[in-house]
Parts: sequence; C-alpha cells; structure tokens
Amino acid sequence: DAGVIQSPRHEVTEMGQEVTLRCKPISGHDYLFWYRQTMMRGLELLIYFNNNVPIDDSGMPEDRFSAKMPNASFSTLKIQPSEPRDSAVYFCASSFSQLEAFFGQGTRLTVV
Amino acid sequence: AQKVTQAQTEISVVEKEDVTLDCVYETRDTTYYLFWYKQPPSGELVFLIRRNSFDEQNEISGRYSWNFQKSTSSFNFTITASQVVDSAVYFCALISVRGGFKTIFGAGTRLFVKA
Repeated sequence: DAGVIQSPRHEVTEMGQEVTLRCKPISGHDYLFWYRQTMMRGLELLIYFNNNVPIDDSGMPEDRFSAKMPNASFSTLKIQPSEPRDSAVYFCASSFSQLEAFFGQGTRLTVV
Repeated sequence: AQKVTQAQTEISVVEKEDVTLDCVYETRDTTYYLFWYKQPPSGELVFLIRRNSFDEQNEISGRYSWNFQKSTSSFNFTITASQVVDSAVYFCALISVRGGFKTIFGAGTRLFVKA
C-alpha cells in the first residue's frame, strides 16, 4: 500500500490567493483527518470525516477554511483567501477506526 | 478536560544510551486510549503504539518499551541502546470517549542521538 498521499508537498503562495491541499487516504480506511502543525500551537485537528461525511469541524479556524471529501479516495482542504498566519504544515491522516491514524508526509504551506 | 504533558522539550544522548521519554495525561474519562507517534526529519508521523485504559500491561517491542501507570497518569516510553536513527520528535497522544474521540497531542519531545 502506498500510504496516505498528499499533494503538493510544498506550496508557496501570496496572501489573498486560494490554496487547495489534496489527500488520497489509504484504501479501505473509513476515517480521514486533517491536522495543522505549527511551532506555536503544535498539532491541531481541523476536521475529520467518517465514510466521506464531515463529523467534527470544530477545529477549523474560520470560514476561510473548508474541506470536502467527494468520495472515499479523495479529500481537499481549501483556504480562501490565504493569510500569512495560515503558514504551517498540513497533514492528512486516515484510519480504519477513530483510534490510531496513518499520516501522509504533509504539505508545507508558506503564505507570503 | 483532556490534556497531555510532555515536560521534556529536548533530550540529547549518545548512541547506545538508554533514554526515557515522559508523558503525563489528564482525563476524567474511564475509557481512553494512549498513543505514541514518531516524527522523523522526513516529516510524517508514524504510529508506534496504542494502549487502552483497561489494560495496564507494559509492552516491549525490540528496543522500545512502554510503561503505563494509571496511578500516576503516566505513559512513558523507553528506548534501549539508542541509535542515530531514533533521532526524531516523539509525540504522546490521548483519545477519550468523552472527548469525542478527538486526538489530543502533547507538545512533543525532540530526541537527538549522537554517534
């Protein structure tokens, strides 16, 4: 199995631009999670899906952030418009339960 | 409230030394799960172990061992005969039923193993 695949690995964008992060979970996993990692706040859960349905989005910072999971093999996290404080590493993870998660390599986002 | 404290920010050891990473958790729930993850320099988090609150049995896997003690709310991780490849950030994490099954991560401990 290829594991969780995220793209792009690195993204540099200008403030105000739309950013879309992509994730392909491990086949057969029913849960998908989006996390953000920063030095100041550590690892934060943004949102998670079960069977493609968003279950808890209470960690999404504000309305500029949105996430979708149109099918079992694909999810996106969109930031529109982006701001410098959104700079972070964004991880996607998947799981066959709500317990241990298997992480992708992350997308390092820099907003200038 | 759920909380995970990893008091050690950074630890530096010489290869072949044993090292213990501390983890203290807080939860009022009686059913919860504890985890350790490793984040190597390549960036992705790698799941290492899960323990359930109703199973205090310690576990050993090769050079890794975990000591779960409910009396002190601790779930410590020991690496025996450390190697350079063990250099990484290690995260302790907690999931509780009352917490809505959301993973709460500690701040992480950065381990440097010098040759």
